[in-house]
Amino acid sequence: AQTVTQSQPEMSVQEAETVTLSCTYDTSESDYYLFWYKQPPSRQMILVIRQEAYKQQNATENRFSVNFQKAAKSFSLKISDSQLGDAAMYFCAYRSSHDMRFGAGTRLTVKP
Amino acid sequence: EAGVTQFPSHSVIEKGQTVTLRCDPISGHDNLYWYRRVMGKEIKFLLHFVKESKQDESGMPNNRFLAERTGGTYSTLKVQPAELEDSGVYFCASSQVSGMVADTQYFGPGTRLTVL
Repeated sequence: AQTVTQSQPEMSVQEAETVTLSCTYDTSESDYYLFWYKQPPSRQMILVIRQEAYKQQNATENRFSVNFQKAAKSFSLKISDSQLGDAAMYFCAYRSSHDMRFGAGTRLTVKP
Repeated sequence: EAGVTQFPSHSVIEKGQTVTLRCDPISGHDNLYWYRRVMGKEIKFLLHFVKESKQDESGMPNNRFLAERTGGTYSTLKVQPAELEDSGVYFCASSQVSGMVADTQYFGPGTRLTVL
């Protein structure tokens, strides 16, 4: 069964600094997508960034970028120039044609 | 454009009672998903509707859970009778494109269910 592991239940970062959230997954499939979702306190979960497994180039969305290491089955999220509004639960997710799985989440605190 | 909405935002019930959660997907989205997150654990898939049909209900924990999507619009998830282990946050998501791994799922804010 596919699993998604987020080994950091909590992380904190100083405003304007950079933080990296870890995610590893297990799969035997070759075609899949990986996602990072963000859920701010008391608000809905939104998609931050996604990566197609067949693409070698790491996805980037403004201050958010990923380090996708397919062989190692690793998919970390880097947040640059952290802002107070980045404080949230971050969920890593894996999706194939018949399965979608999430990690347990990492709670990110941003210190002013 | 309105996002996915869920009602209620919180529900506290006694063990043995019945609770019905509602999800209104984004208009025009044929796909509707239910997920559950037990405190501190991963978000787990419950089921997937395509329009009014259940495409995949492999994640439904047991027959105390009943999901419906009459008319292919909003969906309800009923828990009857509720047990302590049913406590958690129930998320609903919707997406437009069916059968595509890449289609983006839009999530609702979740319903926090507490069973005492």
